Amino acid sequence: GQQVMQIPQYQHVQEGEDFTTYCNSSTTLSNIQWYKQRPGGHPVFLIQLVKSGEVKKQKRLTFQFGEAKKNSSLHITATQTTDVGTYFCAGSTSGTYKYIFGTGTRLKVLA
Amino acid sequence: SAVISQKPSRDICQRGTSLTIQCQVDSQVTMMFWYRQQPGQSLTLIATANQGSEATYESGFVIDKFPISRPNLTFSTLTVSNMSPEDSSIYLCSVEWSSPLEAAQHFGDGTRLSIL
Repeated sequence: GQQVMQIPQYQHVQEGEDFTTYCNSSTTLSNIQWYKQRPGGHPVFLIQLVKSGEVKKQKRLTFQFGEAKKNSSLHITATQTTDVGTYFCAGSTSGTYKYIFGTGTRLKVLA
Repeated sequence: SAVISQKPSRDICQRGTSLTIQCQVDSQVTMMFWYRQQPGQSLTLIATANQGSEATYESGFVIDKFPISRPNLTFSTLTVSNMSPEDSSIYLCSVEWSSPLEAAQHFGDGTRLSIL
């Protein structure tokens, strides 16, 4: 079945450093979403990418969708302690309404 | 966006018993989903709750173990039946909320379930 893997599994950074998480799907995706889950909280939608090669920015966050629509990345510039949490990608394939969540990357930011 | 109320927020249950989790949305939505998330792990889709018809279950999940109801477009329940310690997990409902620009899933706060 479809698998969505993320690397790294964990990342500890000093506040102010950059952070990137990578998402790789075993199958071609129609679109990909990114979510953030704070400790003890539920996943919160960040963004959706649909087009091949698409790049979107939200303040310090930059999201990319690969040309082959099988991978994606989330880059955070100058991390802050409020960025702490687990970041999940979630991919959907054509003809389906459901999303398969990636394995997640847990980010810790040291002040 | 949709506001989702999920209850109970947590429960401790005896093995062999069943628990029903409720998910209420403040707007009518077509797609409602039920997920399981074990501590420190990713989300696994259990099933899609369809209004007016049987839920669509993912591989590894069956109706006898996780019966789902969807009586209308704002409400769904998930029952965890004949519970065992392996069912200890967080159960989350979500709804798909679409705008002209994108579709997103909005999640309830989850039900933290422990089985003794």
